[in-house]
Amino acid sequence: GQQLNQSPQSMFIQEGEDVSMNCTSSSIFNTWLWYKQDPGEGPVLLIALYKAGELTSNGRLTAQFGITRKDSFLNISASIPSDVGIYFCAGSDNYGQNFVFGPGTRLSVLP
Amino acid sequence: NAGVTQTPKFQVLKTGQSMTLQCAQDMNHNSMYWYRQDPGMGLRLIYYSASEGTTDKGEVPNGYNVSRLNKREFSLRLESAAPSQTSVYFCASSEWSPYNEQFFGPGTRLTVL
Repeated sequence: GQQLNQSPQSMFIQEGEDVSMNCTSSSIFNTWLWYKQDPGEGPVLLIALYKAGELTSNGRLTAQFGITRKDSFLNISASIPSDVGIYFCAGSDNYGQNFVFGPGTRLSVLP
Repeated sequence: NAGVTQTPKFQVLKTGQSMTLQCAQDMNHNSMYWYRQDPGMGLRLIYYSASEGTTDKGEVPNGYNVSRLNKREFSLRLESAAPSQTSVYFCASSEWSPYNEQFFGPGTRLTVL
C-alpha cells in the first residue's frame, strides 16, 4: 500500500530557531494535510494544501505542496516552547476520500 | 461545540474480552473514521463511514467491527480483544468538502493484557 516518509524523525532545536521538516511519498497525491499532536491529545489540523506548488501560511507556519506532487514541506519560524509535539503529514490521492498518514516528526524546543 | 468526543479515555481489557469504543461528533459531518496509532507508525485507518448507513474497511480492519448508529455516532467494537490491539484509538469526522479535512477526537488508550 501507499506509504509516507517523514524526516527528520525527531529534532531538538533552540527556542527562536526556524524549523523545516518534510514528507515524501512513492505515489502522487492531490491533497496534503499537516497536523500537530500534543501529548495525550488527538491531532489538530494546521494547514491543508490542494494544488501542486501551493504555498500556504498559518501564522508562523508555512507549508508547501511539492511540484512533483510526491512531497510536502512544513516550516516553523521563530519556534516557541508550545511548538513541542509530533507533526504528521497526511496525503490523499482521491481528493480526501481516504488519507495516508506519515509516522510523524517529533519536535522538542529547548529554552 | 464539543467537536469530536470519545469514550472511554482509558481502558484495560483481558485477552478475549469484548468492548465498544464510542465516538460522537456535533459538527453535522457526513463522514466518520476510526484509526489506531502505534508508536512510530502514524495513524492507520481501521474503518470509515462515508455517510450514515454505510461503512467500509480501511487498512487494518481485522478484529474490529463498526456501527454507524446515526449521523452523529460511530462506534468501534472489539469482539475478542488480543494484545496486538493494544493501541491508542482515534475517531475523526469530516464534511463532504472538496478535500475532506478530518477533525480528530482526543483518543482512547486501550491496553489488552
